Amino acid sequence: DTEVTQTPKHLVMGMTNKKSLKCEQHMGHRAMYWYKQKAKKPPELMFVYSYEKLSINESVPSRFSPECPNSSLLNLHLHALQPEDSALYLCASSPSPVQGPNTGELFFGEGSRLTVL
Amino acid sequence: SQQGEEDPQALSIQEGENATMNCSYKTSINNLQWYRQNSGRGLVHLILIRSNEREKHSGRLRVTLDTSKKSSSLLITASRAADTASYFCATASGYSTLTFGKGTMLLVSP
Repeated sequence: DTEVTQTPKHLVMGMTNKKSLKCEQHMGHRAMYWYKQKAKKPPELMFVYSYEKLSINESVPSRFSPECPNSSLLNLHLHALQPEDSALYLCASSPSPVQGPNTGELFFGEGSRLTVL
Repeated sequence: SQQGEEDPQALSIQEGENATMNCSYKTSINNLQWYRQNSGRGLVHLILIRSNEREKHSGRLRVTLDTSKKSSSLLITASRAADTASYFCATASGYSTLTFGKGTMLLVSP
């Protein structure tokens, strides 16, 4: 299984809602990532989990709350979002943390398209 | 922060033609990677070239790296309509995470 699976594919939520995005991989990868991508822009790193511990938070607002329940799962909890948070949210994984001289490729999911009304 | 800058921003060609995209970066790198993204989908890794390599091939893809000029190019030969996508370079530097460039949108017309 070489897939990263993200659910839901599409999500519409109001600014007062609480929702979650989910990501799953069964490749035994020990690093998992959340990226945010706006239209016609490159992905922007939000969070990195390394061996199930949060290792990087790119100064993301607290209305985004990541969680890594185990080595295969990654969640992104959403609360009190703003319309400008509407974007494609991409999850990725790598065998080991993508840092340093041995940095390898990232495996991306298909993304969750979020619309905040 | 973004390190890679792709050029051109958009490229439109006919099927069968070759497509060349360039990526420039600012600091020394461990490796440089190219990814493809079909509209609204996830990114797919295409090829990785290490800082001590100058050229790499994968099927119809050819990547070159010139560390003295801090630049890389991606050549897609005999383009197909299915190659229509955005292409991003990503650089791995020091102990930082991958940094993606702004991307090139490639349109291949039948």
